[in-house]
Amino acid sequence: DGGITQSPKYLFRKEGQNVTLSCEQNLNHDAMYWYRQDPGQGLRLIYYSQIVNDFQKGDIAEGYSVSREKKESFPLTVTSAQKNPTAFYLCASSIYKAAEETQYFGPGTRLLVL
Amino acid sequence: SQQGEEDPQALSIQEGENATMNCSYKTSINNLQWYRQNSGRGLVHLILIRSNEREKHSGRLRVTLDTSKKSSSLLITASRAADTASYFCATNAGGTSYGKLTFGQGTILTVHP
Repeated sequence: DGGITQSPKYLFRKEGQNVTLSCEQNLNHDAMYWYRQDPGQGLRLIYYSQIVNDFQKGDIAEGYSVSREKKESFPLTVTSAQKNPTAFYLCASSIYKAAEETQYFGPGTRLLVL
Repeated sequence: SQQGEEDPQALSIQEGENATMNCSYKTSINNLQWYRQNSGRGLVHLILIRSNEREKHSGRLRVTLDTSKKSSSLLITASRAADTASYFCATNAGGTSYGKLTFGQGTILTVHP
């Protein structure tokens, strides 16, 4: 059963704490993306990776970090430097070399601050 | 920055009616895509239209693209209560941006049974 999984579904962060959101895909896609969605708004790109061991900042990378050590995995860390982390986080993947790339999304992680 | 602006922000219709959503963008594109999001879930890809295409159909969906006006529309015919969701347009600029998409703010569609 192919797809993208994100965990956990809900995550609570305390002040000053770093938290890591998991994203795994078994679609054999080269590219992976992290988006943030705030209520009533569209998606904003945090980071993306087009190949293993390489990633680029998106539009709102400050306060976040990522790694891409394996093709299947693209974890996102929300650091204590991110002062307003409460949001819905979505991970996606796509075939990097396709001429037309549609993105496949995970179910999302909702991050809340205690 | 948000490339796409969608209109209307919210749309409420009765089952069986048609729903039309519009998307405008600012820079040249390689393709434009429409996605659907059910409440609290991930996005699902609906349809992609290339910059050299003017219209595309998929089931009850019809998408048009006017590159001279930098706008697109999504028409859902004979709507059903199950079509209730948020709909987002996303643009792909092509070139070195490869698979990067820029999303609009979405249209919330409510279909009343």
